[in-house]
Amino acid sequence: QSMLTQPPSASGTPGQRVTISCSGSSSSIGSNTVNWYQQLPRTAPKLLIYSNNQRPSGVPDRFSGSKSGTSGSLAISGLQSEDEADYYCAVWDDSLNGPVFGGGTKLTVL
Amino acid sequence: EVQLVESGGGLIQAGGSLRLSCAASGFTVSDKYMSWVRQAPGKGLEWVSVIYGGGNTNYVDSVKGRFTISRDSSKNTLYLQMNSLRADDAAVYYCARGYYATGLFDYWGQGTLVTVSS
Repeated sequence: QSMLTQPPSASGTPGQRVTISCSGSSSSIGSNTVNWYQQLPRTAPKLLIYSNNQRPSGVPDRFSGSKSGTSGSLAISGLQSEDEADYYCAVWDDSLNGPVFGGGTKLTVL
Repeated sequence: EVQLVESGGGLIQAGGSLRLSCAASGFTVSDKYMSWVRQAPGKGLEWVSVIYGGGNTNYVDSVKGRFTISRDSSKNTLYLQMNSLRADDAAVYYCARGYYATGLFDYWGQGTLVTVSS
């Protein structure tokens, strides 16, 4: 059972802005930075956002991240059909002494 | 260019053993924090194990005492020895390059499928 809580699903129409939340605890998000991954169907996860709000080279600026207290958030603006994927948050958990992943959010572009 | 290529997955009976390999190129495995992450069919991602640059290791509780992570510097390869396999170990296993005390994994392999039959 994941110690990071994400909504199981999210949806939007092309061009819309959607947000995905990731709720943790004081020992996880409250103490460490949030990272986000995109997993397209039948592929390996890809790093999308690191250190709360940093984008790796090549990730469009339509993707942004933020953190407040014990929650993190991923925002996708100008939604496109190719954004349809599963999204996962991940943070270090001090009490577990290891990284933990959220349960994942399946994004559907209507 | 950084690449990670896993191998060694397959169909194994419950109670059996498998060794997964992850061949790395473009960087030195022994300099980095390397992890195994798994994904059961239709489920989310689960971190399994890590080996630090200094050689220390850590595991998720569910595999402690059954799985062993290691590396071979001469082959620049990461391994996961899995013993006493159970049905709930069935998953795609990914190796990933990470960073100490973070949930940041910047490179992932393509994954190798482990199927456990009862």
